[in-house]
Amino acid sequence: GNSVTQMEGPVTLSEEAFLTINCTYTATGYPSLFWYVQYPGEGLQLLLKATKADDKGSNKGFEATYRKETTSFHLEKGSVQVSDSAVYFCALIRADGGATNKLIFGTGTLLAVQP
Amino acid sequence: DTGVSQNPRHKITKRGQNVTFRCDPISEHNRLYWYRQTLGQGPEFLTYFQNEAQLEKSRLLSDRFSAERPKGSFSTLEIQRTEQGDSAMYLCASSSLGGHTDTQYFGPGTRLTVL
Repeated sequence: GNSVTQMEGPVTLSEEAFLTINCTYTATGYPSLFWYVQYPGEGLQLLLKATKADDKGSNKGFEATYRKETTSFHLEKGSVQVSDSAVYFCALIRADGGATNKLIFGTGTLLAVQP
Repeated sequence: DTGVSQNPRHKITKRGQNVTFRCDPISEHNRLYWYRQTLGQGPEFLTYFQNEAQLEKSRLLSDRFSAERPKGSFSTLEIQRTEQGDSAMYLCASSSLGGHTDTQYFGPGTRLTVL
């Protein structure tokens, strides 16, 4: 079936450090891939997305590249800030033509950035 | 565009009581989703509407759960005879049919605590 696996957290970094959060997926065909961010006490916000192999999604300094050969969509940022502290979710929408475009999420990775 | 709104934001109830949550999607969005998120986990799909039609329900949605979208605009999710295991964050998302990617936008969620 379709699934998403994320690296476990928490990830603790100092301000201005480089961030990588690993995400791999299992799916048939070519799913669409997403990163969502959840700040404390809030709902999910779309961070970036990619819809086909080799696409790079980017937003607010975050990037992720859709790698079909490794079934991965790792999230990166060159220099994190304290305000980036949140839970990050990798997710996919299956590509098998089903009627429902439900999101399938990973378990989330907590990022804590220290000043 | 005021975003997806959900009410109430928090609900505390006693076991056995009925509760109802409301979701108002982004105005031009015809697709509406409900997800449930428990502590430390990613959201899990519950049900999906396209306009007023409920097209898919997850096995997670027991007979005690019912969702409606009577006029294809707002939606309600009712839980009857609540149990402690129902304690979770209930998230609503909406999207627009059409285009290659079904990008879902989430509301702030309703946090349910069953005592």
